[in-house]
Amino acid sequence: DTAVSQTPKYLVTQMGNDKSIKCEQNLGHDTMYWYKQDSKKFLKIMFSYNNKELIINETVPNRFSPKSPDKAHLNLHINSLELGDSAVYFCASSQDLAGANSPLHFGNGTRLTVT
Amino acid sequence: AQSVSQHNHHVILSEAASLELGCNYSYGGTVNLFWYVQYPGQHLQLLLKYFSGDPLVKGIKGFEAEFIKSKFSFNLRKPSVQWSDTAEYFCAVKGGGGFKTIFGAGTRLFVKA
Repeated sequence: DTAVSQTPKYLVTQMGNDKSIKCEQNLGHDTMYWYKQDSKKFLKIMFSYNNKELIINETVPNRFSPKSPDKAHLNLHINSLELGDSAVYFCASSQDLAGANSPLHFGNGTRLTVT
Repeated sequence: AQSVSQHNHHVILSEAASLELGCNYSYGGTVNLFWYVQYPGQHLQLLLKYFSGDPLVKGIKGFEAEFIKSKFSFNLRKPSVQWSDTAEYFCAVKGGGGFKTIFGAGTRLFVKA
């Protein structure tokens, strides 16, 4: 199936740990994103990569580090996890960055719980 | 800066009732507008989009939205909702040529069977 897939689906960990979330898209899209959805369902963009190049880096603690080995993959590594990092993290992709026909295609999300 | 405001946080309707969810955006230039839906426990999916042309846009599952430029609005409508429409609905805006898609806070719709 063509899709945006992210792993793991659930991640439960303790404060202070380091964890990674992986994302892959096989849609042939140039642009990938990480969004954070908090407990009130509010979606906020974190990062965007276009052809492996970082384009958007919102005000996110530098404990969060995205990595894009190729344009089909965008991983998110989080150091020294804090309670406030608990959220659902969505990976998304779009055909291009600023084109007129570039809606987002979302992955299924990773529910991160920090205890 | 771009922003999106959704008027209703929670809406409860009975099946067959008509739906209208409000969305206003703040952006001075040309915009690309979207409605996404998130069914319980699932990821966001595109319902419909507006880029140019006819301001009345039809999407999947009988949804439509109307872009009113003078009001900076992009309201979502459905003439007759079904129980399966229970979900969270997000309005989103992307400034023409811009890089970020900004989401509203979402409207949680519950349809009673």
